[in-house]
Amino acid sequence: GAVVSQHPSRVICKSGTSVKIECRSLDFQATTMFWYRQFPKQSLMLMATSNEGSKATYEQGVEKDKFLINHASLTLSTLTVTSAHPEDSSFYICSGTSGGLTDTQYFGPGTRLTVL
Amino acid sequence: SQQGEEDPQALSIQEGENATMNCSYKTSINNLQWYRQNSGRGLVHLILIRSNEREKHSGRLRVTLDTSKKSSSLLITASRAADTASYFCATGHMDTGRRALTFGSGTRLQVQP
Repeated sequence: GAVVSQHPSRVICKSGTSVKIECRSLDFQATTMFWYRQFPKQSLMLMATSNEGSKATYEQGVEKDKFLINHASLTLSTLTVTSAHPEDSSFYICSGTSGGLTDTQYFGPGTRLTVL
Repeated sequence: SQQGEEDPQALSIQEGENATMNCSYKTSINNLQWYRQNSGRGLVHLILIRSNEREKHSGRLRVTLDTSKKSSSLLITASRAADTASYFCATGHMDTGRRALTFGSGTRLQVQP
């Protein structure tokens, strides 16, 4: 299947700092990328949907000024957590789809964010 | 918001036994997918079943879909210790162009060697 990478895999930061997470589709062009958040022992919750070259669509309750998403190319989307706080500590997972008939999303390995 | 509920929340079986997980959803779907997640890791796509399909097989996996009952099941036959993971169903919708998946609450499967 198609491969999606995320970087970094783990990050620890101080409260108030910003953290950028990259999501790359390695062997396909991801016309749409999704960002999910997963708290311990819970399911994935969609944060936002981004299409290449356009503004991201955020889910209700997700602050767009706090979670900045950029999808500048068909292979790269970034999520920046601005002014991070301990409650932002979570597992962030991205996925991409090429928009083909299969509708399969390919997920990255996730990024563990810990805010001290 | 999550629309999928999975049952059971946790399942512990012996190696060699079959494991069955169920998923229910609320609204109409285009497809339903099953994913596996090892602790602290990303998701691995297992199988996709479309709304006009009733059953699908992939190796030791068997998925059924009943759109009239808005439910699906994942059967893992002859389980192995390596099957220990969390399993999520996710539904795909195409209404208003929304293509994100809605995930169920997950089933934590423990296979005892």
